[in-house]
Amino acid sequence: EAGVAQSPRYKIIEKRQSVAFWCNPISGHATLYWYQQILGQGPKLLIQFQNNGVVDDSQLPKDRFSAERLKGVDSTLKIQPAKLEDSAVYLCASSPIAGGRFEQYFGPGTRLTVT
Amino acid sequence: DAKTTQPPSMDCAEGRAANLPCNHSTISGNEYVYWYRQIHSQGPQYIIHGLKNNETNEMASLIITEDRKSSTLILPHATLRDTAVYYCIVRAPLGSARQLTFGSGTQLTVLP
Repeated sequence: EAGVAQSPRYKIIEKRQSVAFWCNPISGHATLYWYQQILGQGPKLLIQFQNNGVVDDSQLPKDRFSAERLKGVDSTLKIQPAKLEDSAVYLCASSPIAGGRFEQYFGPGTRLTVT
Repeated sequence: DAKTTQPPSMDCAEGRAANLPCNHSTISGNEYVYWYRQIHSQGPQYIIHGLKNNETNEMASLIITEDRKSSTLILPHATLRDTAVYYCIVRAPLGSARQLTFGSGTQLTVLP
């Protein structure tokens, strides 16, 4: 079974530029999550999708971050414009359903460096 | 979700059991204890979870105290590949849409 795919793996941009990350969850997984992990900290949830609807985006900085999950499969996370403090690893995860055993499957992440 | 407290770092000799403690003194009666780990440059990986009873799977064992205020993750025969950050997470009941809240975890280093 293929895992969660993310691209790119690494990205370096200057502040005030825009960037987008892509995630392809495990086939059939209804729930998709985007996390931000700053160096030395645990992952922090940014947004949770159930199919193509948003379940929770309370910690998403909506003035600069946006995310979508068209057709309930792939998802993109965008930052526009980027700030220095956005430097982090952005993790995508998926799970079969929102509840249940709650085992989330994580992708390898995208490491973003904002200079 | 209840807050958890873990030591920031631990060492373990290769081949020995690694015992990782977690305090969750404010846990509610219907909250589960989950453990994930994150190997360097990878995404977190689910290990095990439990409610009241001790649990064991192919990766580890989870021991939860009778009062449920603390738990211990046991890796019975640690290998170098077990070097990772281990996260203890307390979460709302099964069926809830609430997510995982990660703390800072314990950096386990398995020494040769």
